[in-house]
Amino acid sequence: DVKVTQSSRYLVKRTGEKVFLECVQDMDHENMFWYRQDPGLGLRLIYFSYDVKMKEKGDIPEGYSVSREKKERFSLILESASTNQTSMYLCASSASGVSAEGYTFGSGTRLTVV
Amino acid sequence: GESVGLHLPTLSVQEGDNSIINCAYSNSASDYFIWYKQESGKGPQFIIDIRSNMDKRQGQRVTVLLNKTVKHLSLQIAATQPGDSAVYFCAEIFYGQNFVFGPGTRLSVLP
Repeated sequence: DVKVTQSSRYLVKRTGEKVFLECVQDMDHENMFWYRQDPGLGLRLIYFSYDVKMKEKGDIPEGYSVSREKKERFSLILESASTNQTSMYLCASSASGVSAEGYTFGSGTRLTVV
Repeated sequence: GESVGLHLPTLSVQEGDNSIINCAYSNSASDYFIWYKQESGKGPQFIIDIRSNMDKRQGQRVTVLLNKTVKHLSLQIAATQPGDSAVYFCAEIFYGQNFVFGPGTRLSVLP
């Protein structure tokens, strides 16, 4: 089974802090994605990456950046956390030529910014 | 398009009854659709998918119906069980790799 592991389940950070959310997948997938999930709004794509050192903006990249130095790891960075970034963050990965069953999510990181 | 609202629609059903969860999609170019189940504290899990050239697909206790005329997708769960309690949401995929997710529906199974 593909495993997508997010390093933290719950995080509490202060406004203005720099925050790193880590995601690691173990199936040699090319594609990795970061979403945030808010009630009533569904999953919204923040950033994605189709290869090492490549990144593309999703629908809501403002206030975020990403890093993909290794194929298995995709990091989401909040340069200066704000309260409106309190949310559930989900990482996903897939192989190229994605099939739905190969698109796998991590368990999520619930971030609270106070 | 973007969803609005800060609350999640909720569907409550009696254990043993059938559940029907609905989803409207927006892009007529979408050629692939998925239903996900997300239990509390977990990431979304794939349940069933359907391609746009089909109008019905059945799995174990689940059926997905696709009506392209009105851009509507539904998930039917037969004999709903307590373990089915979760948030369910649909995804439409177009151009092979662009995912758009619905806002989700919370299913509560009553004893």
